[in-house]
Amino acid sequence: DAGVIQSPRHEVTEMGQEVTLRCKPISGHDYLFWYRQTMMRGLELLIYFNNNVPIDDSGMPEDRFSAKMPNASFSTLKIQPSEPRDSAVYFCASSRTGVKDIQYFGAGTRLSVL
Amino acid sequence: RKEVEQDPGPFNVPEGATVAFNCTYSNSASQSFFWYRQDCRKEPKLLMSVYSSGNEDGRFTAQLNRASQYISLLIRDSKLSDSATYLCVVNPYGGATNKLIFGTGTLLAVQP
Repeated sequence: DAGVIQSPRHEVTEMGQEVTLRCKPISGHDYLFWYRQTMMRGLELLIYFNNNVPIDDSGMPEDRFSAKMPNASFSTLKIQPSEPRDSAVYFCASSRTGVKDIQYFGAGTRLSVL
Repeated sequence: RKEVEQDPGPFNVPEGATVAFNCTYSNSASQSFFWYRQDCRKEPKLLMSVYSSGNEDGRFTAQLNRASQYISLLIRDSKLSDSATYLCVVNPYGGATNKLIFGTGTLLAVQP
């Protein structure tokens, strides 16, 4: 299995621009998680889906952030408009019900907003 | 109080040393416990699950103390390649969801 695949790996953009991060979970996994990691705050859960349905988006910082999962093999996290304080590493992870809730992470997208 | 708390370190130890990390969690209903490892500029990866009876994987031993609500990780005979951040991870939701809470991590630096 290819594991969780995220794209792009690096993104540099200017303040005010729209940013879209992409994730392909491991085939057969029914949970998908979006995290943000910074030095100051560590790994923060933004939102997670179960069977493509958003279950908990309480970690989404503001209305500028939105996430979708149109099917079992694809999810996006969008920031519009982006701000410098959004600079962080964004990870996507997936897991499967009944497998002791172990999460597998993608390599992450390193976002820099100038 | 944070749901999962760890000493951030850094722990600087010589090769061959034994080092132990502790982690405390706040929800007594927590069901699943893990240690993840994160190398610099990489994604977190599962190191090992933690079972009530304690479990060992080579040089790594994990233990759970439910009464005191803490988890430990012991690394024996440290190698340079063990240098990483170790994340304590808990599912406090009783199996109702696969959502996990990650600690902020403990940085280990093994010196030659």
